[in-house]
Amino acid sequence: AQSVSQHNHHVILSEAASLELGCNYSYGGTVNLFWYVQYPGQHLQLLLKYFSGDPLVKGIKGFEAEFIKSKFSFNLRKPSVQWSDTAEYFCAVMLSYNTDKLIFGTGTRLQVFP
Amino acid sequence: GAGVSQSPSNKVTEKGKDVELRCDPISGHTALYWYRQRLGQGLEFLIYFQGNSAPDKSGLPSDRFSAERTGESVSTLTIQRTQQEDSAVYLCASSLDAGGNQPQHFGDGTRLSIL
Repeated sequence: AQSVSQHNHHVILSEAASLELGCNYSYGGTVNLFWYVQYPGQHLQLLLKYFSGDPLVKGIKGFEAEFIKSKFSFNLRKPSVQWSDTAEYFCAVMLSYNTDKLIFGTGTRLQVFP
Repeated sequence: GAGVSQSPSNKVTEKGKDVELRCDPISGHTALYWYRQRLGQGLEFLIYFQGNSAPDKSGLPSDRFSAERTGESVSTLTIQRTQQEDSAVYLCASSLDAGGNQPQHFGDGTRLSIL
């Protein structure tokens, strides 16, 4: 079965530190890739997405992600985190042959301390 | 504007009871999805509706789970004879259409606890 792996389950950073959250998927075909964020007490929101074109995509709030096809990865990055970035981050994949559903990773909990 | 609305926000029930969860999608969204998130796990796809087409039920974990949607409006997810392993947050999402080009907008979820 296809799967999405997020190896960092819990990340703790100080404000202004740089962030990189890993995401790997297991499918050799064409994929659409997403990062969702869930702030405390709120619902999931789309952070950014990749469908095609430039593999470096920019999202809201200064986040970006890079699609590296050879590594089956779509890591999320931010150069300088803020306390307000404290949230849970989910990577998700949509397979080209089944665009009905998203396959989610288990999530990474990010805590940023001032 | 109004987002995806789910009710109840929390539900606690005894093992063996039936429960019904409701989702009101964003108006005009033809696609509606149900997901489940068990503690410490990622989101698990359950079922998908697109317009008046037959739903994709491939993610439903057992025949105790069923879902209905009337046209392009409200959907209900029903779990019969609940078990403790059904405890989870059940999330509903809607999008303008399927095909992956439109983002899914999520509700706040229903936290279901089976005693």
